[in-house]
Amino acid sequence: DGGITQSPKYLFRKEGQNVTLSCEQNLNHDAMYWYRQDPGQGLRLIYYSQIVNDFQKGDIAEGYSVSREKKESFPLTVTSAQKNPTAFYLCATEPATHYGYTFGSGTRLTVV
Amino acid sequence: DQQVKQNSPSLSVQEGRISILNCDYTNSMFDYFLWYKKYPAEGPTFLISISSIKDKNEDGRFTVFLNKSAKHLSLHIVPSQPGDSAVYFCAAMSQAGTALIFGKGTTLS
Repeated sequence: DGGITQSPKYLFRKEGQNVTLSCEQNLNHDAMYWYRQDPGQGLRLIYYSQIVNDFQKGDIAEGYSVSREKKESFPLTVTSAQKNPTAFYLCATEPATHYGYTFGSGTRLTVV
Repeated sequence: DQQVKQNSPSLSVQEGRISILNCDYTNSMFDYFLWYKKYPAEGPTFLISISSIKDKNEDGRFTVFLNKSAKHLSLHIVPSQPGDSAVYFCAAMSQAGTALIFGKGTTLS
């Protein structure tokens, strides 16, 4: 059953801690993306990767880091440098440009 | 500066009537437009798309219209059903672009 798996669904982080959000896909899609959703803000691009071992910053990359060591996996680390990390994080994939995205079910991160 | 704008944060429509969601864009290089539907605590799901070489695309109850001269697109849902209640995002990409740019969304109820 092909799809995108984001885990965990809910994540709580203490201030000053780094946390890593997982995104795994078995769709064999080349491109992967991380977006952040805040109320009233729409979806804002954090990082994206078109191929393995390559990734680019999006509009709001500060305080985040990623890796793309395997085609199937694109983990996002929210570092302590991210000032306002509480948000809903969405991972997406695309087989090639202009095909449209498939989204995962998201991870809700809350800083406590 | 927002390149994709959804100026109506919310829209309320009676069941069976037409829902019209609007989207404006500023970048004339955009050549591919999509609409996504999102329920709370879930990822967005693809609804319908349109290329800039077309001015209309239809899929069942959903029709997207593109007016390139006005840099405006709209999503029509006919007839509207209770299950259509969700947040609708408009998104755009240019030929040289590397990622979709999303509007802020319109909540349809």
